[in-house]
Amino acid sequence: TQLLEQSPQFLSIQEGENLTVYCNSSSVFSSLQWYRQEPGEGPVLLVTVVTGGEVKKLKRLTFQFGDARKDSSLHITAAQPGDTGLYLCAGASWGKLQFGAGTQVVVTP
Amino acid sequence: DSGVTQTPKHLITATGQRVTLRCSPRSGDLSVYWYQQSLDQGLQFLIQYYNGEERAKGNILERFSAQQFPDLHSELNLSSLELGDSALYFCASSARVVDYGYTFGSGTRLTVV
Repeated sequence: TQLLEQSPQFLSIQEGENLTVYCNSSSVFSSLQWYRQEPGEGPVLLVTVVTGGEVKKLKRLTFQFGDARKDSSLHITAAQPGDTGLYLCAGASWGKLQFGAGTQVVVTP
Repeated sequence: DSGVTQTPKHLITATGQRVTLRCSPRSGDLSVYWYQQSLDQGLQFLIQYYNGEERAKGNILERFSAQQFPDLHSELNLSSLELGDSALYFCASSARVVDYGYTFGSGTRLTVV
């Protein structure tokens, strides 16, 4: 059983479209992180959100932390093939980082 | 290159055997974490070391053990291997005992046959 539930599990879109990935939990986290993982490689940290309600933007990626610090979303605007990968959210609590199962995103030209 | 080095990259071994996975953290990082990633379980936290001391334990089997040495590199020992232990094993590091971002290595792919 995953402490963090990610949805959808799989997302296939055309280049230029927008997409949103969700990360939900019944637990409160001190921080929440988003990673992207490509085949055969380790996850790469994209962003860390700490404050409830916080919104962070990295170019075409927008990350939001829920007010209650239990959920988060990742929105990608005008997706590009280079955005293809496994997106993982991870919640930090009591010094441990627990990962969701991930959302596989495929962006086709 | 993330700065976290894991060796070997690939390992194929038979059931019942013992293997050791090695991790060198990013320069300056004192915390090392071990994770197991399989298709059906996702990334599962195994254990954390900080400056040589065990700090947190996750879903680590009794057949598995780890340690962090004075030079801060870490080893994960897997013994009495079973088919179900086949997975990607990742090491990550961070600067502090509780941190907001981990740097992952490229992993060791273990195949037990």
